[in-house]
Amino acid sequence: KQEVTQIPAALSVPEGENLVLNCSFTDSAIYNLQWFRQDPGKGLTSLLLIQSSQREQTSGRLNASLDKSSGRSTLYIAASQPGDSATYLCAVELTFGEGTQLTVNP
Amino acid sequence: GAVVSQHPSWVICKSGTSVKIECRSLDFQATTMFWYRQFPKQSLMLMATSNEGSKATYEQGVEKDKFLINHASLTLSTLTVTSAHPEDSSFYICSASWGTSGTDTQYFGPGTRLTVL
Repeated sequence: KQEVTQIPAALSVPEGENLVLNCSFTDSAIYNLQWFRQDPGKGLTSLLLIQSSQREQTSGRLNASLDKSSGRSTLYIAASQPGDSATYLCAVELTFGEGTQLTVNP
Repeated sequence: GAVVSQHPSWVICKSGTSVKIECRSLDFQATTMFWYRQFPKQSLMLMATSNEGSKATYEQGVEKDKFLINHASLTLSTLTVTSAHPEDSSFYICSASWGTSGTDTQYFGPGTRLTVL
């Protein structure tokens, strides 16, 4: 059974800092991995989807990488802003990690 | 992009009553819809997978007689929480996919917050 782990559970950084969120999964036989953002009490916003044949995806200040062989993905956020404050979830198909709660301080 | 809606967005009900939540794919035909539950400060947990025209497949530990899922058309799936109790209070999110398994892109609804008094 697939297990998805996200580290750290919470992260607080000053505005402008570059940061990395980590996601690991136990079964490397995956089709895709997706990063989401969830604001308190809200639904999910899809950020980036990486197919198993891809190594990374970029959207604006966000870059997600995928290393299937090691069972890892990272979400890189450049020049963080207070508006980036949210919980970031990593999902491998139907299995979600517990998320990283990010706070960007002005 | 593909849009999925849920209705209602929030609901408060008395213990023992039943609540129906609708999930609709607005601009595409969803062969498969997924239902998730999220308790406070926890991640999403898959409850069940429903394919149009067939019975839903429930995850281990999810009571199929308590959480009734109907996927009668390619654009609508419903989740009915029967005889709701306070411990059923949660955030319920659906997703829809063109494909028939979790390997295809899922489009998520905005969620429904259920509070059972």
